Amino acid sequence: RKEVEQDPGPFNVPEGATVAFNCTYSNSASQSFFWYRQDCRKEPKLLMSVYSSGNEDGRFTAQLNRASQYISLLIRDSKLSDSATYLCVARNAGNMLTFGGGTRLMVKP
Amino acid sequence: GAVVSQHPSRVICKSGTSVKIECRSLDFQATTMFWYRQFPKKSLMLMATSNEGSKATYEQGVEKDKFLINHASLTLSTLTVTSAHPEDSSFYICSAAQVNTEAFFGQGTRLTVV
Repeated sequence: RKEVEQDPGPFNVPEGATVAFNCTYSNSASQSFFWYRQDCRKEPKLLMSVYSSGNEDGRFTAQLNRASQYISLLIRDSKLSDSATYLCVARNAGNMLTFGGGTRLMVKP
Repeated sequence: GAVVSQHPSRVICKSGTSVKIECRSLDFQATTMFWYRQFPKKSLMLMATSNEGSKATYEQGVEKDKFLINHASLTLSTLTVTSAHPEDSSFYICSAAQVNTEAFFGQGTRLTVV
């Protein structure tokens, strides 16, 4: 079993739709979590950190459920420019980052 | 956010030669640097993790004698692909992180071995 797992998708959604991704992690010692976005043939870029209390940044909301060991990313009012691969990342106490395989999102007109 | 510079962005080399890729954290001291490779439409694959001043920790299946990693300072790590072959052609990406912060990625290096 992979340490960080994501549904690879693709998620095909129309513009304006709300879409949610989940990511599960197996290492209960994971301390912090992040969502990254990667565009085709580009490096990943940090989208947002994920806090225990949940956090929101514009149309994006991230949540962490430690009991069930998953994190989520909700995108509201999808834009064409949101089309990308979204990577879930867990960090352990040793500063080790573990990436999920990514979830591909395609927003259609 | 913090800046990580990776160089070169693209390189074409002949089979059998070696290629060095540099990764620099420009405005912070990176406790840890990570090296990844990524094949088209595939996920990032961690190759190795390096902490400044110590030997890199390689992931299973990654040959340390083929992919030489040096992390000589808190702002610079290098990956050398030795005796490159066409199957080494890939997108190589570094990332750098401090303790308890997010990681920042370099722009990536597209290596083509002909």
